[in-house]
Amino acid sequence: TQLLEQSPQFLSIQEGENLTVYCNSSSVFSSLQWYRQEPGEGPVLLVTVVTGGEVKKLKRLTFQFGDARKDSSLHITAAQPGDTGLYLCAGPSNFGNEKLTFGTGTRLTIIP
Amino acid sequence: DVKVTQSSRYLVKRTGEKVFLECVQDMDHENMFWYRQDPGLGLRLIYFSYDVKMKEKGDIPEGYSVSREKKERFSLILESASTNQTSMYLCASSPWGAHYEQYFGPGTRLTVT
Repeated sequence: TQLLEQSPQFLSIQEGENLTVYCNSSSVFSSLQWYRQEPGEGPVLLVTVVTGGEVKKLKRLTFQFGDARKDSSLHITAAQPGDTGLYLCAGPSNFGNEKLTFGTGTRLTIIP
Repeated sequence: DVKVTQSSRYLVKRTGEKVFLECVQDMDHENMFWYRQDPGLGLRLIYFSYDVKMKEKGDIPEGYSVSREKKERFSLILESASTNQTSMYLCASSPWGAHYEQYFGPGTRLTVT
């Protein structure tokens, strides 16, 4: 069974601070995706990382895929209240079907 | 932009009622999914469909059924709603491809009383 563990589970920081959240597995994934879900809405795809060691930037968000493709991190610089939400990582099943394995999630709150 | 719509944002039903939740996507995606999301339990897959009239059970199919008569539409049916089916229901779609990125609808918050 492929599992994705995210840490921390909850994070509450002041506006303007930096933060990093993590997504870890003992399994290799062909790619990993990050989603953000705002309260009362569905998750929205932020980015997909594909190559081991890959770094992608989306404005103040930096995503990195581990060299061994078993983990990923999301770093936010100068957090803003609009970054508040549930961050989920996800990866395709290794069983050749269409399903995704979703992580346990990090609930981020940015305090103005 | 991919758009996934769900028939209701909020729904209140009584125990024992038959409940239909409908999902429509406009991007010609092959795959469609139904999840429920509960605090502390994360996203749990109920059913998914990889083609018209095709369906596969997810992790928690008990008490649910699905229908996919047209490519763009995927319905979730609660045959006899129970209070433990009170939850946020999320529909998603994805195209065939190496990464299977999913596009979600806004969710339906169902309360069964």
